[in-house]
Amino acid sequence: DADVTQTPRNRITKTGKRIMLECSQTKGHDRMYWYRQDPGLGLQLIYYSFDVKDINKGEISDGYSVSRQAQAKFSLSLESAIPNQTALYFCATSDEGQLSNEQFFGPGTRLTVL
Amino acid sequence: EDQVTQSPEALRLQEGESSSLNCSYTVSGLRGLFWYRQDPGKGPEFLFTLYSAGEEKEKERLKATLTKKESFLHITAPKPEDSATYLCAVRSNSGYALNFGKGTSLLVTP
Repeated sequence: DADVTQTPRNRITKTGKRIMLECSQTKGHDRMYWYRQDPGLGLQLIYYSFDVKDINKGEISDGYSVSRQAQAKFSLSLESAIPNQTALYFCATSDEGQLSNEQFFGPGTRLTVL
Repeated sequence: EDQVTQSPEALRLQEGESSSLNCSYTVSGLRGLFWYRQDPGKGPEFLFTLYSAGEEKEKERLKATLTKKESFLHITAPKPEDSATYLCAVRSNSGYALNFGKGTSLLVTP
């Protein structure tokens, strides 16, 4: 089983709709992140969370909100989707207790806003 | 502000033709430089973390090196299965997130 899972894997929606993307992890990591990836722009950080009570904005948080329901679950919401939010969305986790410090990514959610 | 620039944007190699990918960075105190591999439609897969200038790490045909201004990912005798986008990222001592470059798309032909 994958350590970091994302649902749905693909979603097509219309402008103005509310959308929730979900992320779950079995790695036991305390830190979780949401990124979006656009062609030619690389990965950009939307939000990150150090634990269930600690949520922080990333570089492109406008138009997004998050919820850390438990250590293992971190959801990203688009309250009113717009076409320029069409992108590939990735969840990632990390454990600051590890020297290697790397982030582990989920398989991604491809979101299309019409 | 942290900056990461990867070059070239795209690279095409013949199988067995060794080459290097470059990652130039500016950061206010390097906590770590990371290399990831990303296949189309999939999440980035962790390859290496480098922490200080002079450090080197190897994995199969890949070798990552680090100086104070850049990192190289050397690919020795590549195979078609090495075709992917390779991403470089840095984390500064003052930040919590990774700052990614735009990646190098590598195609290895038989």
